[in-house]
Amino acid sequence: EPEVTQTPSHQVTQMGQEVILRCVPISNHLYFYWYRQILGQKVEFLVSFYNNEISEKSEIFDDQFSVERPDGSNFTLKIRSTKLEDSAMYFCASSLGEGGETQYFGPGTRLLVL
Amino acid sequence: AQSVAQPEDQVNVAEGNPLTVKCTYSVSGNPYLFWYVQYPNRGLQFLLKYITGDNLVKGSYGFEAEFNKSQTSFHLKKPSALVSDSALYFCAVRDRGGGKSTFGDGTTLTVKP
Repeated sequence: EPEVTQTPSHQVTQMGQEVILRCVPISNHLYFYWYRQILGQKVEFLVSFYNNEISEKSEIFDDQFSVERPDGSNFTLKIRSTKLEDSAMYFCASSLGEGGETQYFGPGTRLLVL
Repeated sequence: AQSVAQPEDQVNVAEGNPLTVKCTYSVSGNPYLFWYVQYPNRGLQFLLKYITGDNLVKGSYGFEAEFNKSQTSFHLKKPSALVSDSALYFCAVRDRGGGKSTFGDGTTLTVKP
């Protein structure tokens, strides 16, 4: 069964450093998402991406964040200058469409900012 | 704005007993509703969803959920709980126009042998 994959599974970085989180969505999916889950808290929407552009973003997704689909298979989330409060589990998801289409989630990348 | 409430942080049931994990929502118009399960150090696994039609939705692993429009609820149920059902359960809502999912705080289900 096709699945969403994410790399790395864990990343430790120093405050102020740039990180890139990588995702390979399910191959025929058209919509891509990033969510995050701070330890012990709810899953929060960051951004949705379709047709090579951001279709929706949350207040969390400020200028420090960017997304890219560089090569037709990978979908990346970049945090330019990490802060302590960026420490969280980051989930990538993909779906065939919006609305009622199921979003399938990857296993997550646990980011720790020191 | 859309929101989801899972009023119970924790639900404990004995193996073999029925379980219910509660979810209520607030969204303009008719929503799409989802349940996901998260095992420790794992991602979110899709369980079931309500799109339209029959209010009782059946999903993976014997779970089902009932959409109740008047009570704006979408409670997750299973007739006979297994120890392996112990996990964190999230309810999510999405409005009909978009892709953003709004999740509840999650409910930890513990099934004791």
